[in-house]
Order: sequence, then structure tokens, then C-alpha cells
Amino acid sequence: DAKTTQPTSMDCAEGRAANLPCNHSTISGNEYVYWYRQIHSQGPQYIIHGLKNNETNEMASLIITEDRKSSTLILPHATLRDTAVYYCIVRHQGGADGLTFGKGTHLIIQP
Amino acid sequence: DAMVIQNPRYQVTQFGKPVTLSCSQTLNHNVMYWYQQKSSQAPKLLFHYYDKDFNNEADTPDNFQSRRPNTSFCFLDIRSPGLGDAAMYLCATSSGGPGEKLFFGSGTQLSVL
Repeated sequence: DAKTTQPTSMDCAEGRAANLPCNHSTISGNEYVYWYRQIHSQGPQYIIHGLKNNETNEMASLIITEDRKSSTLILPHATLRDTAVYYCIVRHQGGADGLTFGKGTHLIIQP
Repeated sequence: DAMVIQNPRYQVTQFGKPVTLSCSQTLNHNVMYWYQQKSSQAPKLLFHYYDKDFNNEADTPDNFQSRRPNTSFCFLDIRSPGLGDAAMYLCATSSGGPGEKLFFGSGTQLSVL
């Protein structure tokens, strides 16, 4: 699976949009981009994933550049409960392979 | 409703004393995974089952074993826990299809005394 690069930490004011970047310049055509987050002492929580097109769900939006070498996760109205470590993961399209977690971004929402 | 259930939430064992962690799922998923997460580190995949087929990661120590008696349950056995095995152990499931997501349990925090 392709490697990802994320900032170690980020701050965002409560109520503002949080934009978390991820670089995955070696991604191949059959690899998805997944985003998970982990709140302290809990299991990772799925947020969103995509292959080529931008995606949106009730939690977030995922913007993937046209060349697919980077992406941005957008939390539209951050709350204090969004403080967590956010993992951007590239995963092969096929089947049962697990997720390979990098170091992630520690997002801190400031009141 | 919890879909991937791990019990207990906290487990304490003694150095060298075998311990078993359990995971159950209500999703009827084909694949079940075990991850180890040490303090301030990212989760690390130990192994997974696709149905009854066991797939071990290359660097998973022999001290770690797993059993999957049926679709719903999967166990992690640590034969002789060392102090370095103290960690959060996370179970996850997936249908195994292309582009499918993993669902994680809340984890079991293992302490080794």
C-alpha cells in the first residue's frame, strides 16, 4: 500500500471548518483513500473513503486532487468532540487486507 | 448498538501467564482482524482471518496466536505475556469486498504485571 504523509498536529477553532491534508504521491490506480479517527482510549472510527471522486457524508467531505496524489478531509463545523487523531490510509482495492496506519494528525479543537 | 464487541475492556495478567482476549461481531462479516496499539503509537496489524483462513503478518511474534471457532467470534491468545505486550488490543471486521470499510471494537487494554 502507498505511504501517506500528514502533519503531526493541527489546531482549529470550534465552529470553523477543519481541513486536514494528506499526501499520497505514490498511490496507484486501484488504491482507495480512507480516513479514520481515534478519540483517546477508543477504537478507530470510520469517517469516509473514496477512490477518485470527491465524497461527502454526514460526518465529513473528502476532496481528492485530480492526480490523486493528495487529499483533504473537511470537517465542516468542528466541535470539541472532534478532537482526535485522524489517520489517512491508502488501501488496495482488493478484499481482505487490513488497514496500515501511519502516525496521523492530532487535531485539537480550541473553544 | 455495538457491532464489534470486545471483552473485557480492561485485562490484567501476570508476566508469563497465558491470557485470552475475545471479540464478537453481529455484522456477519467474513474477515476479522487483530491490531496491537501501544501507548502513543498507531495501531499495528497482527493477523486476520478470512473465514477460516488465517493470515499472519510477517513480523507478528510467535507468542501471539488466534482462533476463530465460528463467524461471530475470534480470540487472541498471548501464550507468555511480557511487559512489552502491555497495549490496547483492537478487533475489527470487514465484509472483505473491494473498497469495504473496517469496523473496530472499543478495544481491550491489557496490563502485564
